[in-house]
Amino acid sequence: GDSVTQMEGPVTLSEEAFLTINCTYTATGYPSLFWYVQYPGEGLQLLLKATKADDKGSNKGFEATYRKETTSFHLEKGSVQVSDSAVYFCALDGQNFVFGPGTRLSVLP
Amino acid sequence: IAGITQAPTSQILAAGRRMTLRCTQDMRHNAMYWYRQDLGLGLRLIHYSNTAGTTGKGEVPDGYSVSRANTDDFPLTLASAVPSQTSVYFCASSDSSGAVDTQYFGPGTRLTVL
Repeated sequence: GDSVTQMEGPVTLSEEAFLTINCTYTATGYPSLFWYVQYPGEGLQLLLKATKADDKGSNKGFEATYRKETTSFHLEKGSVQVSDSAVYFCALDGQNFVFGPGTRLSVLP
Repeated sequence: IAGITQAPTSQILAAGRRMTLRCTQDMRHNAMYWYRQDLGLGLRLIHYSNTAGTTGKGEVPDGYSVSRANTDDFPLTLASAVPSQTSVYFCASSDSSGAVDTQYFGPGTRLTVL
């Protein structure tokens, strides 16, 4: 079945550092791919999405590119802020909607 | 527009008690979902409903039941709660008639079963 794998956390960075959170997937066909973010004490929010190969989703300075050849959708941000501290979930919409386990990011001032 | 609301926000429950978690959406989405979130396990689908009047089992349905009498409401019931059901529960909805099935989430219900 479909699955999503994310890098294990927690990830701890200093403010203004470069962020990469790896996400790879296994799916049949051409799923849509998503990143969700969960801030402390809140529910999940859609951060960005991509619906086909080579699409780049972007929002709030975050980017992710749908790479079909490597079945990846890595999340990147050039300069993180303390307010980016949250848990980030990679997800796909294929035969079912599947979430990765989440990666906790802590950004220190 | 409220989006998705869940109630209660949190609850402490004695084992063996019955509990219903409420979920209401005002977006007229046809599909709704219940997930539980446990540390290290991410989100796991409990039950889903693709349209009013239909429901289906997800990855971890045992001990839970749902109903979908109308488009807006999707309550989750624990008939006899057990400590392993201590978790944070998220309701979500989506308009699956579109090309991309983006899910929108409620704020969650934190449930502790003692």
